[in-house]
Amino acid sequence: EIVLTQSPGTLSLSPGERATLSCRASQSVTSNYLAWYQQKPGQAPRLLIYGPSSRATGIPDRFSGSGSGTDFTLTISRLEPEDFAVYYCQQYGSSPWTFGQGTKVEIK
Amino acid sequence: EVQLVESGGGLVQPGGSLRLSCAASGFTFSSYWMHWVRQAPGKGLVWVSHVKSDGSSTGYADSVKGRFTISRDNAKNTLFLQMNSLRAEDTAVYYCVRDDIGLSPFDYWGQGTLVTVSS
Repeated sequence: EIVLTQSPGTLSLSPGERATLSCRASQSVTSNYLAWYQQKPGQAPRLLIYGPSSRATGIPDRFSGSGSGTDFTLTISRLEPEDFAVYYCQQYGSSPWTFGQGTKVEIK
Repeated sequence: EVQLVESGGGLVQPGGSLRLSCAASGFTFSSYWMHWVRQAPGKGLVWVSHVKSDGSSTGYADSVKGRFTISRDNAKNTLFLQMNSLRAEDTAVYYCVRDDIGLSPFDYWGQGTLVTVSS
């Protein structure tokens, strides 16, 4: 099983700032099949980024993904008020599918 | 519009059973793999089970293997999760999730249904 470790656990930033979230895998992610999801309180997760740098339908270009192998990054170039949420990475290249523990992006 | 609507959650005693359903619409259900993902209160996302598009293959997390059974009815566009021998640690919101070919990100999620296991 591939274990995904996200850092930091919490990121305190102001609107307009840049957010950089990290996801590290315990072994190489097959074909870089790594995705990022956003979850707001009381809502289901929403797919943001996959593959690991393609944006899902309707996702604004301030969200970008990068990385390969075992190290991946989600960057939000300029935080908007609606971006404050919890973000999860997920590998979908091998079963069992696994998620990181999440990074909370909160308003400073 | 793709829609996934879960139902069947509720309060159940330890050792009891529950059957979750997920009604799918807005896409060709029989062409997609489907999964259940759960989230305990205040915790992260955990994959539970998958079923291939034609139902010929299934898989389970170790924590539910032997207790949960996933199935689907492609004629009725419905996904199921039969949960037996429920434990307190199974308490969570259960999400029905779509996956294109089994090597795809989870592109659509239902709103979730809450399962509470408590005496």
